[in-house]
Order: sequence, then structure tokens, then C-alpha cells
Amino acid sequence: QKEVEQDPGPLSVPEGAIVSLNCTYSNSAFQYFMWYRQYSRKGPELLMYTYSSGNKEDGRFTAQVDKSSKYISLFIRDSQPSDSATYLCAMSGTGNQFYFGTGTSLTVIP
Amino acid sequence: GAGVSQSPSNKVTEKGKDVELRCDPISGHTALYWYRQRLGQGLEFLIYFQGNSAPDKSGLPSDRFSAERTGESVSTLTIQRTQQEDSAVYLCASSVRRPAPQETQYFGPGTRLLVL
Repeated sequence: QKEVEQDPGPLSVPEGAIVSLNCTYSNSAFQYFMWYRQYSRKGPELLMYTYSSGNKEDGRFTAQVDKSSKYISLFIRDSQPSDSATYLCAMSGTGNQFYFGTGTSLTVIP
Repeated sequence: GAGVSQSPSNKVTEKGKDVELRCDPISGHTALYWYRQRLGQGLEFLIYFQGNSAPDKSGLPSDRFSAERTGESVSTLTIQRTQQEDSAVYLCASSVRRPAPQETQYFGPGTRLLVL
């Protein structure tokens, strides 16, 4: 079983839609949860980070963590064509390593 | 401002040859990471450097893989006797301090390696 599972998509939505991206994980020691955005032929960039359970909002983006279900989500409100990218979840415990999902490819159609 | 740079951007090699990939981190960043991103898979941690401490090599997949970093500067990832399964994008990232999620990792654009 992989440490982190993420549906690779692809996901295609019309502009203005609410997007929901999700990951599940198996390691209950994970405490830190991150979402990265990766444009084509670029390196990932950190979008949001959350510690333990709860919600965190930043503009149009909301990150949600449910540790009891080992499930994390990223919501994008009022999606824009510029949001078209691959979104990777990542998580870590107390060590040096970060565990990444496979990424979900998102296309927002104008 | 200069971000993390990697070279070459693309590398095609024949099975069995050695390759060397280079990463220039952001100046002043003490932590440096190498990851492998295979098609359809997530980022796979390879190795981590922190200042002059011994590197964390726990992610290196085999003894054909090695990496060096001198101080807080350039790092090179070497793959000896390349195999077709080594084909992937190799990403380098740096951060100001030790790895922590709130300590943003800045990624380079990656080196796309194709082993024929």
C-alpha cells in the first residue's frame, strides 16, 4: 500500500466552478499536510500547508485535514484558467522525508 | 531574483552510461533535496543535505545513485550504469533551514532524463 494515494484525474471543469482535490494516507504519524501546484515543465510550488486536523483558508483556496479518516482535501473556489496545473498533496511526520501523492491534473476551461 | 537552477534541462543517454545532474540552490539555503518524479507517480525522495551534516541518503534506490554537495553550494547527483527504469524527471529543491513543511522548499525546473 502506498503511503499517499491521490486520484491522478484528469479533472476538467468550467471556469468559475468549485474544484475538490483529495488525498488519502495510511501513516497515522503524519502531522503536516501540504498542497503543491506544478505547472507543465516547472517544479512544484507550495500552495498551502496545514498542521494536524482542521481547515485553512487562503484566498480562493481552502485546505482541509481529517486525521481520523486520514483524508485531506483542497478546495478551489471560482476556478480560473490560470489554475490549470497538476496539484500534488504531500505530508510528513517528524523526519526529513516528505511523501507526495501522484498529483491530480486539473484543466479549467474558459 | 535567482531561483533554484538545474542542468541539463534534458538528458538522453544510453543504457549503461553514467550521468551527472547538477543543482544550484538559492544562495543562503542550507537545506537541499533531490527527488525523482516518474511518469504518473509522485515525487520520490532521494537524498537530503543540511549544511555540513552527514546527508540523509535513505531514499537512494540503489548503490548506482550517489550525490555530493560541497558546503551550502552546488550539488551533483550521479547515476552510474544507467538503466531504462532510471528515466524520470529529477527535481532539486532548497530551503533556508532544515526540512519542515512551513519551511518552503523551492524547486528547480528539473532535469528530464531519458535512458534508451
